[in-house]
Amino acid sequence: EIVMTQSPATLSLSPGERATLSCRASQSVSSYLAWYQQKPGQAPRLLIYDASKRATGIPARFSGSGSGTDFTLTISSLETEDFAVYYCQHYGTFGPGTKVGIK
Amino acid sequence: EVQLMESGGGLVQPGGSLRLSCAASGFTFRNYWMSWVRQAPGKGLEWVANIRDDGGDKNYVASVKGRFTISRDNAKDSLYLHVNSLRAEDTAVYYCARDRPGGACYFDLWGQGTLVTVSS
Repeated sequence: EIVMTQSPATLSLSPGERATLSCRASQSVSSYLAWYQQKPGQAPRLLIYDASKRATGIPARFSGSGSGTDFTLTISSLETEDFAVYYCQHYGTFGPGTKVGIK
Repeated sequence: EVQLMESGGGLVQPGGSLRLSCAASGFTFRNYWMSWVRQAPGKGLEWVANIRDDGGDKNYVASVKGRFTISRDNAKDSLYLHVNSLRAEDTAVYYCARDRPGGACYFDLWGQGTLVTVSS
């Protein structure tokens, strides 16, 4: 069974700053990785799939990279609406999430 | 409008049962694999089950095998999750989600969720 880990657990940043979130798989998942954003009281939203492809309607400030076991979600310049929890996912396994909070 | 809408959650005693429903609209439901994903209060996301577009293949997370059954009615554009022998640890918001075509289990459309609370 593949285990997904994410770091850091919490990230405190200011609007306009760059956010770098990491996801690691316990074994290679090739590029089969997605990233989701979830805000309080809302359902998750697909941001990135196949490690680096933006989903429909996702702003260009969100980008994904990586392959194999190590992946990164980058938000180039944080907007106030980007403060949320971010999950990575490979097939039926989600990571524990990274909370991006306002500093 | 493209959307999913869950219903059927509620308070149930340990050992009890519920049927969760998800009504799809705005897209050709019969063309998509569908999944249920749950989230315990204050916790992360857990994939629960999925079902092939024609209903012919079903998969479950180990913790619910034998207790939960996923099904669909393509004529009614509806997805279901029959949850039996409920335990306290099944307490969660249950989301239905559409699998993005391609077979990699990416969920590109989510409902708003329905809360299942298992408590005596």
